[in-house]
Amino acid sequence: AQSVTQLDSQVPVFEEAPVELRCNYSSSVSVYLFWYVQYPNQGLQLLLKYLSGSTLVKGINGFEAEFNKSQTSFHLRKPSVHISDTAEYFCAVSETGTYKYIFGTGTRLKVLA
Amino acid sequence: SQTIHQWPATLVQPVGSPLSLECTVEGTSNPNLYWYRQAAGRGLQLLFYSVGIGQISSEVPQNLSASRPQDRQFILSSKKLLLSDSGFYLCAWRTSQNTEAFFGQGTRLTVV
Repeated sequence: AQSVTQLDSQVPVFEEAPVELRCNYSSSVSVYLFWYVQYPNQGLQLLLKYLSGSTLVKGINGFEAEFNKSQTSFHLRKPSVHISDTAEYFCAVSETGTYKYIFGTGTRLKVLA
Repeated sequence: SQTIHQWPATLVQPVGSPLSLECTVEGTSNPNLYWYRQAAGRGLQLLFYSVGIGQISSEVPQNLSASRPQDRQFILSSKKLLLSDSGFYLCAWRTSQNTEAFFGQGTRLTVV
């Protein structure tokens, strides 16, 4: 069965510093991978997705993620964060050909002035 | 363009009362529909998903049920709420043309 692990529940970082949010997944078949962002009391918004091809994926708001098949990871990065990036970030996996999306427990990013 | 409507935004219900949360999608047909629950520190838990009218798959045995009476309508129900049913409930959809799910704005349910 597929699963997703987000190792960091909270990540504090100063404004304009780089950040990496970690995500590891487990699956016996090929997968699609996603990062979503959630602002307080709102739904989830897609940041980026990996389907196939280039392992470096660029998304909205300056975020990017790198798919590493050997390490079963899909870490999210941003070279310089802003206060407005403060939110909760979720990694998700979907096995190709299935209808289900499995989410990690989320990482709360807090950007400090 | 496609949109998803989820209501109410917030709900406070006493223990033992019934529940009905509704989600509708506009601008698409035959979507896959999902109900997720978000509890503090537990991420998003998939509760139900549906690939068509009347077709419901339950992921977690619990006090809740789901129904899909129309193609673009997905309803989450309970006959008697428990305190543990409190949480943030999110409806989502996707079509065969998409690989990602699109989420509604959620319903904050507090059972007291």
